[in-house]
Amino acid sequence: QKEVEQDPGPLSVPEGAIVSLNCTYSNSAFQYFMWYRQYSRKGPELLMYTYSSGNKEDGRFTAQVDKSSKYISLFIRDSQPSDSATYLCAAVETGNTPLVFGKGTRLSVIA
Amino acid sequence: GAVVSQHPSWVICKSGTSVKIECRSLDFQATTMFWYRQFPKQSLMLMATSNEGSKATYEQGVEKDKFLINHASLTLSTLTVTSAHPEDSSFYICSAERTDTQYFGPGTRLTVL
Repeated sequence: QKEVEQDPGPLSVPEGAIVSLNCTYSNSAFQYFMWYRQYSRKGPELLMYTYSSGNKEDGRFTAQVDKSSKYISLFIRDSQPSDSATYLCAAVETGNTPLVFGKGTRLSVIA
Repeated sequence: GAVVSQHPSWVICKSGTSVKIECRSLDFQATTMFWYRQFPKQSLMLMATSNEGSKATYEQGVEKDKFLINHASLTLSTLTVTSAHPEDSSFYICSAERTDTQYFGPGTRLTVL
């Protein structure tokens, strides 16, 4: 079983919709959780970074981590066509250890 | 802050030649850098962990003699694909670690003819 599970989609929503992206994980030792956005043929760009459980908000983006259920979420409010990309969740135990990525969810926001 | 660059961004080479890809952390020092490979429409696959001043740690199935990694300074790691073959054609991405977070370079697209 892969340590971080993510539905690859694709997910298509109309402009202005609220997008919910989710991942589950199995390793209880994960402490840091990230969401990356990757445009086609580009390197991943860090969107959100969360330590342990809780919510973090940055503009239209909100990241949630629920360690009790091993669930990671990213919400995008007022989605825009420019949000169309692949979104990767990732988790890591501690520093200097590799990130464990989900497969990525392809999101299309239709104008 | 936390900018990571890669050079070149795109390279085409003939089969049998070697290609070097550079990964630089521009505004921070990175003791640890990672090298990933990504095939179209797939997630990143970790190839190796590169630690400054020591040998890289390769993931299972990655040939260390084929993918040479050198992390000579706190801001530079290089990946050399030796005797490249068409099946090595891929998107190679590095990341550099800063305060428990990894920041990625823009990637290098390698095409081996």
